[in-house]
Amino acid sequence: AQSVSQHNHHVILSEAASLELGCNYSYGGTVNLFWYVQYPGQHLQLLLKYFSGDPLVKGIKGFEAEFIKSKFSFNLRKPSVQWSDTAEYFCAVKGSGTYKYIFGTGTRLKVLA
Amino acid sequence: KAGVTQTPRYLIKTRGQQVTLSCSPISGHRSVSWYQQTPGQGLQFLFEYFSETQRNKGNFPGRFSGRQFSNSRSEMNVSTLELGDSALYLCASSSGPEETQYFGPGTRLLVL
Repeated sequence: AQSVSQHNHHVILSEAASLELGCNYSYGGTVNLFWYVQYPGQHLQLLLKYFSGDPLVKGIKGFEAEFIKSKFSFNLRKPSVQWSDTAEYFCAVKGSGTYKYIFGTGTRLKVLA
Repeated sequence: KAGVTQTPRYLIKTRGQQVTLSCSPISGHRSVSWYQQTPGQGLQFLFEYFSETQRNKGNFPGRFSGRQFSNSRSEMNVSTLELGDSALYLCASSSGPEETQYFGPGTRLLVL
């Protein structure tokens, strides 16, 4: 079955701490991978995406993610978080060439000033 | 370009009623997807439309249905509402399978 697992449901960090949010997926075939972010009161927006090529992907606001095919993982990282990174983060996968996205359950990140 | 718009933004219904939600995609986007977002469940895929045809469907009962019009606007309908249907319903549009999917603000449905 196709699925996405986000192991951390709630994460609390102090400003300047490093962040790594885990994402593992189960999907047969070639995949496209995404991280979306939902800031309080705002729409879901794309942080970064992987379609092909360099498995280390850089996104907006200093975020990056690494696709490790052998581990079926696409973890999100940021070396130094800010208070404004407080949000809910969603990992998603879709089959290459399709429109059916499968989302994880999300990770709520709270950054303490 | 205007973003994805959804109407209404908030809705309160009672059990047994039906509801219709509307989504207008970004101009030029022909693919529209619908999701149900609930705390702890994340986003669950409902269905996806392209050129008025449903191409993908999630694991929801037949009470959930949708359609897409020739101008790419889409509606979803939920009949015989249940308490568990209370959720944020999100619409997203895309211009192609290799392109970013853009989300609307959602319609928050409360079933009493």
